[in-house]
Formats: sequence, structure tokens, C-alpha cells
Amino acid sequence: DQQVKQNSPSLSVQEGRISILNCDYTNSMFDYFLWYKKYPAEGPTFLISISSIKDKNEDGRFTVFLNKSAKHLSLHIVPSQPGDSPVYFCAALNAGNNRKLIWGLGTSLAVNP
Amino acid sequence: DVKVTQSSRYLVKRTGEKVFLECVQDMDHENMFWYRQDPGLGLRLIYFSYDVKMKEKGDIPEGYSVSREKKERFSLILESASTNQTSMYLCASGEQGAQNEQFFGPGTRLTVL
Repeated sequence: DQQVKQNSPSLSVQEGRISILNCDYTNSMFDYFLWYKKYPAEGPTFLISISSIKDKNEDGRFTVFLNKSAKHLSLHIVPSQPGDSPVYFCAALNAGNNRKLIWGLGTSLAVNP
Repeated sequence: DVKVTQSSRYLVKRTGEKVFLECVQDMDHENMFWYRQDPGLGLRLIYFSYDVKMKEKGDIPEGYSVSREKKERFSLILESASTNQTSMYLCASGEQGAQNEQFFGPGTRLTVL
């Protein structure tokens, strides 16, 4: 059973607009969340993270929002650029099991000119 | 910059062969991980290691074994390769601690005929 769910396998947005990628989780013990991006034929690259003690973390064009009561997080990319078109993976971990990330299935983003 | 290298980018083996996938990291990380990535299934953890000679099973360890004789090197072994082990294999490393990101290698695309 997927503990981390990315319900949209793909997303398409116009260049310059906001991209919003969503992630839901079921395990209330998760207390740290990460977003990775992955291009074909490359390993995933860390993008941004958020601790459960926060509800927002921002890094340049990327912002992650966490809603603990809804067990939901989202990644906002503003403005979207054509180079933002890899697959985005959401991952979560439980500090009590700090070595093991639980991964979503990924969302493929297409930014159209 | 952290560097995680994997011995091969592409590998073709025959059913029943013994296969070694090597991973080396240069940042003195305690933790190392082996994943496989398949379409529609995301990243699945095979094994991980949090110290030399230590290993723990991930979510799908069947058909695999690992070896960590030195801190910088983590090997994945397919004792008798089967066609359902055709996949993209990704190695990652990370520092000890609950909130440390994992750094990935470029991946090995293994095809078992």
C-alpha cells in the first residue's frame, strides 16, 4: 500500500505560469519530506525539503507547503520554465527510521512554451 | 560536490548469470542505498547499509544480496539474474541522521535476456 501518493502521473503547464505538484501521505509518523527531480538516464537530484515543524519552505522559484492535518504537501514552481520538465518525486521519512525514505511514484511535468 | 559513481551505465546479461553492480561515493557518507526504478512503480528500496559490513533489507530484497567491505563502496549482487530483474538500478549515499538528503549516482540500466 502506497504510504506516499502522487496522484497525478503527469502535469502540463504553460511557461511562466505556476506549476503545483501534489503529494499525500498516510503515515502520521512521517516528519520530514523531500522533493527530488529526475531526468531520463540520470539519478534523482535533491530539490527542496521541509520539516514537519514548518508549514512552508522556500528556495528561489521552488516553495513547498505542508498541511499536516490533511497529510498533504505541495511543490510550487513559479514561474515555470521549459527546463523544469523532469519527473518530480515526493519522499518522506520517519525520524524513528531515519535511514529509509518512502517514495511516491512521481509526477512528470511538461512546461510548454 | 558529492560524487556517487556506478560501475556501468548500461549492462546486458543472460538469465542465470551472476551480476555485480558497484557503487562508490567520495563523501565519507555512512549510509548507502540500492534502489530499482521501474515504470509505474517509482523507486523501490532493495537494500541499504548504515555502516561497513552492516546491511538491512529494503522493500524488495528477494533475489539480491549486498556487500559493504569498505565505507565508500556498496555492491549489489544478483546471484542468478532473471528477466524480471531488468530495470534501472540506482545507488545513493547520505550522511547519518534523520534529515539528510540522499545523493544519487547516474544509474545502471540492466537488461537480462
